Amino acid sequence: AQSVAQPEDQVNVAEGNPLTVKCTYSVSGNPYLFWYVQYPNRGLQFLLKYITGDNLVKGSYGFEAEFNKSQTSFHLKKPSALVSDSALYFCAVRDMKAAGNKLTFGGGTRVLVKP
Amino acid sequence: KAGVTQTPRYLIKTRGQQVTLSCSPISGHRSVSWYQQTPGQGLQFLFEYFSETQRNKGNFPGRFSGRQFSNSRSEMNVSTLELGDSALYLCASSSFSGGANEQYFGPGTRLTVT
Repeated sequence: AQSVAQPEDQVNVAEGNPLTVKCTYSVSGNPYLFWYVQYPNRGLQFLLKYITGDNLVKGSYGFEAEFNKSQTSFHLKKPSALVSDSALYFCAVRDMKAAGNKLTFGGGTRVLVKP
Repeated sequence: KAGVTQTPRYLIKTRGQQVTLSCSPISGHRSVSWYQQTPGQGLQFLFEYFSETQRNKGNFPGRFSGRQFSNSRSEMNVSTLELGDSALYLCASSSFSGGANEQYFGPGTRLTVT
């Protein structure tokens, strides 16, 4: 079984400050990890993914994420947040051994960036 | 390339009725997955189709079914609608099934059951 936890329902940050959205996962094997963002009345947009190799993954819109196997975490980060980053962020996992494209999502974290 | 399209975008149905939702994947993508998004349960996987075959199925009752056509377009059907079926239904496509490939999501169909 695979699962994802996003411990914070909401993160508030001032514009220009660093942004971190936390994610921990559980899989029986090795994980593929993903971050998606959802704007109001929109579907999910892919931000970045971890496959293997370098633990720091860079993605779209200046976002990056750090994979930590010992802590089973995959936190999303942005050095300087923008008001336009305000949205709902989802972490997702797929076990490398699993067949198919099923993603298991965390509950989501709402990010509010204040001017 | 055009993105994933879903029709209709909004739908209002009455309990007991049935509904069919449609998804057109990105050109060249052969895998289509469906997810249900609700405030209480979050994002839950319904099923995946790849080359017209169901590849995976989530933990939903048999009232939820789907199919995929030879052009990769997919439909999802919900029969005997219940109030709890009110949700945003998201379709996602990808080039192939499995592995590290990411999925691309459509805007969703907002279903309201009254």
